[in-house]
Amino acid sequence: EIVLTQSPGTLSLSPGERATLSCRASQSVSGSYLAWYQQKPGQAPRLLIYGASSRATGIPDRFSGSGSGTDFTLTISRLEPEDFAVYYCQQFGGSPRFTFGPGTKVDIK
Amino acid sequence: QLQLQESGPGLVKPSETLSLTCTVSGGSLSGGSYYWGWIRQPPGKGLEWLGSIDYSGTTYYNPSLKSPVSISVDTSKSQFSLKLSSVTAADTAVYYCASDYGDFFDYWGRGTLVTVSS
Repeated sequence: EIVLTQSPGTLSLSPGERATLSCRASQSVSGSYLAWYQQKPGQAPRLLIYGASSRATGIPDRFSGSGSGTDFTLTISRLEPEDFAVYYCQQFGGSPRFTFGPGTKVDIK
Repeated sequence: QLQLQESGPGLVKPSETLSLTCTVSGGSLSGGSYYWGWIRQPPGKGLEWLGSIDYSGTTYYNPSLKSPVSISVDTSKSQFSLKLSSVTAADTAVYYCASDYGDFFDYWGRGTLVTVSS
């Protein structure tokens, strides 16, 4: 099983600051099949990034993804008030077919 | 744009079978490159993929699940369904259905809370 580890667990920042979230896999993620989701309380997750670096439809360009192999990063260039949420990474291709990381909470400092 | 909606009982007794249905609108279950998946989230915890199915009935399941899982599809009703057998309190969660584009989930239902309790 490919285990995803996300760090930090909580990131306390102010609006306008840059957020850098890390996702590390226990083994290489084939084809860079790594996605990022945003989840707000009481809502379903929302796809932000797929293929490690491709933004999903309608996602603002302040969100960007990078990385390959076992190390991936989600960057939010300038935090907007609506960006405070929990962020999950997810990989495809191992067994189980999909696994998710434990999440990083971005909260207001 | 695809819309997905989960439905089913909100309360299930231990050892019984949890059954949920997802109704898809705004697109065809048999169109495109989609699989259709179920993901769950215990209260206050992270996400766990349960399984996915395509329009022809080909299924993929999470082998790590403790409770037996089965997913089926009914293209005539634009629905796919989840059955989780012999449930325990550990199966209490919000259950989401989602469109599985092969390597990510792009459209999600709003989720439905299922509590396992006697």
